[in-house]
Amino acid sequence: DIQMTQSPSSLSASLGGKVTITCKASQDINKYIAWYQHKPGKGPRLLIHYTSTLQPGIPSRFSGSGSGRDYSFSINNLEPEDIATYSCLQYDNLYTFGGGTKLEIK
Amino acid sequence: EVQLQQSGPELVKPGASVKISCKTAGYTFTENTMHWVKQSHGKSLEWIGGFNPDNGGIIYNQKFKGTATLTVDKSSNTAYMDLRSLTSEDSAVYYCAIGNWDGAMDYWGQGTSVTVSS
Repeated sequence: DIQMTQSPSSLSASLGGKVTITCKASQDINKYIAWYQHKPGKGPRLLIHYTSTLQPGIPSRFSGSGSGRDYSFSINNLEPEDIATYSCLQYDNLYTFGGGTKLEIK
Repeated sequence: EVQLQQSGPELVKPGASVKISCKTAGYTFTENTMHWVKQSHGKSLEWIGGFNPDNGGIIYNQKFKGTATLTVDKSSNTAYMDLRSLTSEDSAVYYCAIGNWDGAMDYWGQGTSVTVSS
């Protein structure tokens, strides 16, 4: 089974600032990684798939990059509505989620 | 508009079973794999399995084989997940989600809370 190590588990940043979350796979996942935003009481929202492809309607301040085993996700110009938990998902070989990152605004 | 509407919260006793539904609308039911995902309180998401309504193919996470059974009713565009022999470890929110063209889980239901308690 592929393991996904996501870090950090939590972070705090200022409005207008930038945050970066990373996910490291236990093996090459061929760019098949997606990033989700998750708020309480709702299903996760797909933001990015295939490493860097933004879902329709997702602002360009969200971005993803990476290859092989190492991937990252960034949010620029943080806004209040970005407060949420973010998770990665590898779907190259079955499906494995990362541990999640709880984002708070300073 | 794609919609996945899940059944309501469940309170069940240890050892019992529960069946969760996910009624869909706004897309062709047989064109997307239906996945089920577990989120225990304070923990990360876990993929349980996926059902391909087009060919009936099912893939389970080995961890949930024997506990979860996935089915669909194509006549009502509804997916189901049966969980049996429940323990406190099965207390969680369960989500249905459909896979998009490249395999990522795209649209999600709102979640169904299952509490296992005597």
